Amino acid sequence: EIVLTQSPGTLSLSPGERATLSCRASHFVNSDYVAWYQQNPGQAPRLLIFGASSRATGIPDRFSGSGSGTDFTLTISRLEPEDFAVYYCQQYGSSPGTFGQGTKVEIK
Amino acid sequence: QVQLVQSGAEVKKPGSSVKVSCQASGGTFDTHAITWVRQAPGQGLEWVGGIIPMFGTTKYAQKFQGRVTISADSRRTTAYMEVRTLRFEDTAVYYCARSFTGVDWYFDLWGRGTLVTVSS
Repeated sequence: EIVLTQSPGTLSLSPGERATLSCRASHFVNSDYVAWYQQNPGQAPRLLIFGASSRATGIPDRFSGSGSGTDFTLTISRLEPEDFAVYYCQQYGSSPGTFGQGTKVEIK
Repeated sequence: QVQLVQSGAEVKKPGSSVKVSCQASGGTFDTHAITWVRQAPGQGLEWVGGIIPMFGTTKYAQKFQGRVTISADSRRTTAYMEVRTLRFEDTAVYYCARSFTGVDWYFDLWGRGTLVTVSS
């Protein structure tokens, strides 16, 4: 099973700032099959990115994903108030698919 | 607009069973996979298992093998997850989620979740 480690655990930033979230895999992720989700309190996760860098339908272009192999990054270019949430990465290149433990982006 | 509509919250005693449902409304059902993901209070996401309704094939995370059964009724466009021999640590929100290519894929649509509380 591939273990995903997200860092940092919490990111304290102000609106308008850039957020960089990391997701490191314990083993190579086949075909860069990594997705990113956003979760607000009391809500279900929402798909942001799949295939490491492809934005899901309706996702603003301030969200971007990058990386390959074992290291992946989610970047939010300019934080909007609604972006303060918890973010999870997921690998689906190997079975079972696994999630990282999450990064909370909070208002500084 | 396709939605995944989940059944309501449940409170169960340790050792009992719970069955949660997830109905796909407004769209196709058989052409996707439905997976169950749980989230314990204040914790992250955990993949439980899933089903491809068209074929009836299922897959489970190893820790849930033998204690969880996932099924689907295509006529009702509904998937089900039954958890038996409930433990306190099964207290969680259980989400159903849709994917296009197998139960181990990424999930583009999620239900709102069903809170299962295990309490004596």
